Amino acid sequence: GNSVTQMEGPVTLSEEAFLTINCTYTATGYPSLFWYVQYPGEGLQLLLKATKADDKGSNKGFEATYRKETTSFHLEKGSVQVSDSAVYFCALMDTGRRALTFGSGTRLQVQP
Amino acid sequence: SQTIHQWPATLVQPVGSPLSLECTVEGTSNPNLYWYRQAAGRGLQLLFYSVGIGQISSEVPQNLSASRPQDRQFILSSKKLLLSDSGFYLCAWTLERKTEAFFGQGTRLTVV
Repeated sequence: GNSVTQMEGPVTLSEEAFLTINCTYTATGYPSLFWYVQYPGEGLQLLLKATKADDKGSNKGFEATYRKETTSFHLEKGSVQVSDSAVYFCALMDTGRRALTFGSGTRLQVQP
Repeated sequence: SQTIHQWPATLVQPVGSPLSLECTVEGTSNPNLYWYRQAAGRGLQLLFYSVGIGQISSEVPQNLSASRPQDRQFILSSKKLLLSDSGFYLCAWTLERKTEAFFGQGTRLTVV
């Protein structure tokens, strides 16, 4: 079946530091890949997505590239802010059920 | 524009009591609808999904059930809640030809 593995948290960084959150996946076919963000007490918001190999999704300074050869979709940001503190979920959508399979989430804490 | 409403936002229920969580989508037709649960400190688990009125697929055996009485309404229910049903419940929707999933604000359920 499909699965998503992402790095354990929490990740604690100082403001303006470089961020990488690793994500790898296992899936049949060619899933679409996503990063969702969850701020405290809220639902999930789509951060970025990529629908095919070598696509780069980007939003709000965050980027992730769909790497089929390494089955990865790592999230990066060059300079994090305190407001980026949240839980980040990597996910894939299979073409059959059109349901999302999520990783376990990585909590990011950015300190001033 | 499309919106998704989920209520209540917070719920505290005693063990053995019934449950009904409601989710409605506005501004679209024939959405695929989903219920996810996020247990404390864990990722999101798909509970149910529906591709049409009266069509429900269950992903995991559990104490919960789902119903879709109208095209844009999705209800999560239980006859008798267990302590293990505590968690953060999220409703989501997608369209058949779209890859993005959109989430409600979630319901935090505490069973005491």
